[in-house]
Amino acid sequence: DQQVKQNSPSLSVQEGRISILNCDYTNSMFDYFLWYKKYPAEGPTFLISISSIKDKNEDGRFTVFLNKSAKHLSLHIVPSQPGDSAVYFCAASLAGGTSYGKLTFGQGTILTVHP
Amino acid sequence: DSGVTQTPKHLITATGQRVTLRCSPRSGDLSVYWYQQSLDQGLQFLIQYYNGEERAKGNILERFSAQQFPDLHSELNLSSLELGDSALYFCASSVYSQKGETQYFGPGTRLLVL
Repeated sequence: DQQVKQNSPSLSVQEGRISILNCDYTNSMFDYFLWYKKYPAEGPTFLISISSIKDKNEDGRFTVFLNKSAKHLSLHIVPSQPGDSAVYFCAASLAGGTSYGKLTFGQGTILTVHP
Repeated sequence: DSGVTQTPKHLITATGQRVTLRCSPRSGDLSVYWYQQSLDQGLQFLIQYYNGEERAKGNILERFSAQQFPDLHSELNLSSLELGDSALYFCASSVYSQKGETQYFGPGTRLLVL
């Protein structure tokens, strides 16, 4: 049962343009969402998060949007840079603020930014 | 650098053997999580420890066990290893805020079972 889904295995974007990575979830109890970036042979690196009480969070070139009614979140990267090329994972957790915050990950989207 | 350290970086062993993976969380973090990433799977949650106690279990095999020590470092023990146990094993430690809990991952241990 895939509770967090990233339906696009890969995305290719030109440098300077916007990258939009999408994620859908099925469990309405998830209340905290995170995006991680991962290079081969390295651990996931935390990028940005959003709690369910918000619909947008911005940090520099990265913005995460949450649509709770659609159970959908997206990560926007503007402008995209070649160094952004990596695998991006969305993740979700239940009951934020407790110690039961195990993450459920999507399968990842490979982003390639072409110079 | 996330501040989470894992050793060893690479491990090659044979089927039937036992190995121990080590994780040191970020300073001050009480929670440690273990995840497995196989070639054909995403990141799968294995187990969580909080301040020395087991808090949650995920898809962890009975051949696998973990513990967290008083200094908060954690070890993941994998025994009777099978070829299918070859994977990347990550640990993460977490920090809590009003909005939620953010996990920071170590660089991982790549296990190859031959």
